[in-house]
Amino acid sequence: EIVLTQSPGTLSLSPGEGATLSCRASQSVTSNHLAWYQQKPGQAPRLLIYGASSRATGIPDRFSGSGSGTEYTLTISRLEPEDFAVYYCQQYGGSSRTFGQGTKVEVK
Amino acid sequence: EVQLVESGGGLVQPGGSLSLSCAASGFSFSSYDMSWVRQAPGKGLEWVSTISASGRSTFYADSVKGRFTISRDNSKNTLYLQMGSLGAEDTAFYLCSRKDTTIDNLDYWGLGTLVTVSS
Repeated sequence: EIVLTQSPGTLSLSPGEGATLSCRASQSVTSNHLAWYQQKPGQAPRLLIYGASSRATGIPDRFSGSGSGTEYTLTISRLEPEDFAVYYCQQYGGSSRTFGQGTKVEVK
Repeated sequence: EVQLVESGGGLVQPGGSLSLSCAASGFSFSSYDMSWVRQAPGKGLEWVSTISASGRSTFYADSVKGRFTISRDNSKNTLYLQMGSLGAEDTAFYLCSRKDTTIDNLDYWGLGTLVTVSS
């Protein structure tokens, strides 16, 4: 099973600043099958990025994903008030999928 | 509008069983693989199980294999999760989700139903 480790655990930033979230896999992720989700309190997760770098439908272009192999990054270019949330990476190789433990982006 | 509404959660004793349902609407249910993902209160997401659109193929996390059974009734647009031999570690919100086969990812989710395993 591929284990995903996200860092940092918490990111304290101000609106307008940029955010860089990391996701490291214990082994290479098949075909860059790496996704990012956003979750706000009391809400369902929302798919942001799939295939490491493709934005899901309706996702603003301030969100971008990059990486390959075992190292992946989610970048938020300028934080809007609605972007403060928990972000999870997820790999989906084969018939199973695993999530990272999450990074919380909070208001500084 | 795509809607996924889970039900069936509640308090169950250790070693007990519980059955969850997820009612789907707003899309062609029989055309999509479906999954269950759980989230312990205040914790992260854990994939539990996936079933193919036809129901012929099922997949499970090691943590629930042999104890949980995923199934679906395409005539009723409903997904199920039968859970057995429950332990405290199974306490969580259980969310159902739709897998978009084009992008092989979970694009719509319900809000979940809470399962609490406690004596």
